[in-house]
Amino acid sequence: DAKTTQPPSMDCAEGRAANLPCNHSTISGNEYVYWYRQIHSQGPQYIIHGLKNNETNEMASLIITEDRKSSTLILPHATLRDTAVYYCIVRVAFYHLNTGNQFYFGTGTSLTVIP
Amino acid sequence: DAGVIQSPRHEVTEMGQEVTLRCKPISGHNSLFWYRQTMMRGLELLIYFNNNVPIDDSGMPEDRFSAKMPNASFSTLKIQPSEPRDSAVYFCASKAGGVTGELFFGEGSRLTVL
Repeated sequence: DAKTTQPPSMDCAEGRAANLPCNHSTISGNEYVYWYRQIHSQGPQYIIHGLKNNETNEMASLIITEDRKSSTLILPHATLRDTAVYYCIVRVAFYHLNTGNQFYFGTGTSLTVIP
Repeated sequence: DAGVIQSPRHEVTEMGQEVTLRCKPISGHNSLFWYRQTMMRGLELLIYFNNNVPIDDSGMPEDRFSAKMPNASFSTLKIQPSEPRDSAVYFCASKAGGVTGELFFGEGSRLTVL
């Protein structure tokens, strides 16, 4: 049920910006874009989310194209601890009792930060 | 805040045995999710509860799997009888109410069925 496409793997040099792309060409106007990451065998961890505008927090920046069909997660200064699988998720913004709560994870991008 | 607590962290059992995985969500969160992760299938949503009521169990693989949430602070995922193909890491996650709340995951329960 994942509605996103991500490259299976990427490398990034330590200290450089890591730019992780995500395609969500069938996204609807009421759907958010979320990013999570999973380090080794831990549970996935929330990074950031957005609807239309670009977003930034202490972990990353999220750039959403104007047509909303794709987005990029930017880790500005990648460290070795950022090596993880990064998941891009689309979910509805409208909340109803039986909808809007499901988070479907695709296969993600395995990011390796190289010393 | 103790986070989402899962037990056991590791379980090794023999085929045919009953397995019960437990989850304590973050206090105040009203949605709870069970996921299963394998190399072949990735992270799959099995079932989720809202205010202790099962809302969507379409991801539960078959009748051998069942989940309950008797109160707001406890949920179980039971497999009976277990099979080797059930070997996976099972994650529990909880979420506060509202449209944009984020999921908080536990550390997972690694199940091995011999």
